[in-house]
Amino acid sequence: QKEVEQDPGPLSVPEGAIVSLNCTYSNSAFQYFMWYRQYSRKGPELLMYTYSSGNKEDGRFTAQVDKSSKYISLFIRDSQPSDSATYLCAMSGGGSYIPTFGRGTSLIVHP
Amino acid sequence: GAVVSQHPSRVICKSGTSVKIECRSLDFQATTMFWYRQFPKQSLMLMATSNEGSKATYEQGVEKDKFLINHASLTLSTLTVTSAHPEDSSFYICSGIGGPWETQYFGPGTRLLVL
Repeated sequence: QKEVEQDPGPLSVPEGAIVSLNCTYSNSAFQYFMWYRQYSRKGPELLMYTYSSGNKEDGRFTAQVDKSSKYISLFIRDSQPSDSATYLCAMSGGGSYIPTFGRGTSLIVHP
Repeated sequence: GAVVSQHPSRVICKSGTSVKIECRSLDFQATTMFWYRQFPKQSLMLMATSNEGSKATYEQGVEKDKFLINHASLTLSTLTVTSAHPEDSSFYICSGIGGPWETQYFGPGTRLLVL
């Protein structure tokens, strides 16, 4: 079992839909959780950063962490075609600041 | 804040030649930088951790003599792919720790194609 599991998709949704992206993990020592967005042929861009359990909202994006279930989510409201990208979850902790990445979920928002 | 640049953005070279990729933190000092490789439709694979003023730490399976890393200053780390072969063709991305949350910020990546 990989430390971080993420469905690669692709996930195709119509413009305006609410998107739910998820990751599960096995290492209970993870405390820092991140979501990155990566456009094709570009480096990842940090979207959300959360510590421990709970919710964090930033504009159309909401990150949720459920440490008891070892499950994290990223919600995108009112999705736009410009949101089409690969979304990578990442997490770190347990004495290491080097994050472990999921393989990324490809999101396609069609007009 | 926390902007990382990479140069070149893409490079094509002949098999057997060496290629140097630069990674710069533009608005912060990065005592630690990371080098990743990413194959198409795959996640980021950490190659090595680069520490300013000391030797890099390589991940298992990464040849340190083939991928030379130099972190000579707090804002510059370089990755040199020596004697490149077609199987080294990939997307190389660096990152540095910075910003308000002291987390990783990535460069735009360098696409290497070895013919």
